[in-house]
Amino acid sequence: AAGVIQSPRHLIKEKRETATLKCYPIPRHDTVYWYQQGPGQDPQFLISFYEKMQSDKGSIPDRFSAQQFSDYHSELNMSSLELGDSALYFCASSSRQGRGDTEAFFGQGTRLTVV
Amino acid sequence: SQQGEEDPQALSIQEGENATMNCSYKTSINNLQWYRQNSGRGLVHLILIRSNEREKHSGRLRVTLDTSKKSSSLLITASRAADTASYFCATLLSGGSYIPTFGRGTSLIVHP
Repeated sequence: AAGVIQSPRHLIKEKRETATLKCYPIPRHDTVYWYQQGPGQDPQFLISFYEKMQSDKGSIPDRFSAQQFSDYHSELNMSSLELGDSALYFCASSSRQGRGDTEAFFGQGTRLTVV
Repeated sequence: SQQGEEDPQALSIQEGENATMNCSYKTSINNLQWYRQNSGRGLVHLILIRSNEREKHSGRLRVTLDTSKKSSSLLITASRAADTASYFCATLLSGGSYIPTFGRGTSLIVHP
């Protein structure tokens, strides 16, 4: 079965550079979430999209932005990178049909290292 | 703010033993999901339990939910070394935000 695909799997950037992470949700899923997980931390919600519109916003820094495209893939753009942005970034997707029963499926994550 | 809090934060057992992890949350939920994460890897969905369910089984996994105490437990029976991972619970809040919200995980080590 198709899963959530994230690219790249690993990314090394220097401080103040820009990074773009991509997420391809499970086909026919209408919701995409982005999470950030620092070392030894739990995943923190950043932002979500429902049917290509921003749905909810969490602890996403102003330096970050995201969007969902017509083919439902999503990109997380991160500018002016800081050392503290080094983390594992997860994308998840779900279908809101049957709202109370929805499972979120996660990709393998992109490990971003800022040096 | 933390919605789910796992307990214990770390658990070390021998292969064949049972492992129990607990999760507490603060507000009303639609469902609660358990995930496993191998070191530095992706989150694997294990099981979902709805707010109107009290217990659910999947293979060697048993999940209970007590909405009156706002808590859930994950029991892994006959543990294996391959079960070594971090386990997280995530809650989907009712009547509001539609975002799986994670608590701090439990790090499980199963010694062969």
